[in-house]
Amino acid sequence: GENVGLHLPTLSVQEGDNSIINCAYSNSASDYFIWYKQESGKGPQFIIDIRSNMDKRQGQRVTVLLNKTVKHLSLQIAATQPGDSAVYFCAENTGRRALTFGSGTRLQVQP
Amino acid sequence: EPEVTQTPSHQVTQMGQEVILRCVPISNHLYFYWYRQILGQKVEFLVSFYNNEISEKSEIFDDQFSVERPDGSNFTLKIRSTKLEDSAMYFCAITDRSGEQYFGPGTRLTVT
Repeated sequence: GENVGLHLPTLSVQEGDNSIINCAYSNSASDYFIWYKQESGKGPQFIIDIRSNMDKRQGQRVTVLLNKTVKHLSLQIAATQPGDSAVYFCAENTGRRALTFGSGTRLQVQP
Repeated sequence: EPEVTQTPSHQVTQMGQEVILRCVPISNHLYFYWYRQILGQKVEFLVSFYNNEISEKSEIFDDQFSVERPDGSNFTLKIRSTKLEDSAMYFCAITDRSGEQYFGPGTRLTVT
């Protein structure tokens, strides 16, 4: 896949456990943040987003937390499943429409 | 979720040749984007397109690249004279009314 060879940090969890994937961003002017999931050979898949006027947003089995003070974003996945195995990218929008992607975290779910 | 298709899924070309990558958003959208992902690297922004003109572009998007929406439906990325380092996955993306960006499945470009 596209991320073969990329020296990604890897998070390995057992099926059914909760996963927390972290991301640090650098631009304090960013006001919109998104988490994407990328499976091998596929394009980034939108998971959840959050705007800078919020610090938490929940979706189905996923929660995004935003800490603007330390410029930190996290994605929590509840009851992780084997189908959650993928590379996860955070992305930020600096007020322009273009997204700036982070370097990604590989999530491996052990059955 | 809006659907975006891209053709071809894989393009092999020789260095110096021109390639055209196509994106077909299923619904009408305002903003279109091209991103690329070199093997083993993160996704990088190339260009955004709004109201039939380039809205913004990155430093990667040099004179070798161009975009257009020739028939009001397809959105194309042209690389005029490909280089080895252009080998990558190229993703088209669109935004819906909420501003969320959705990506197509990508075109793998291999320059030999």
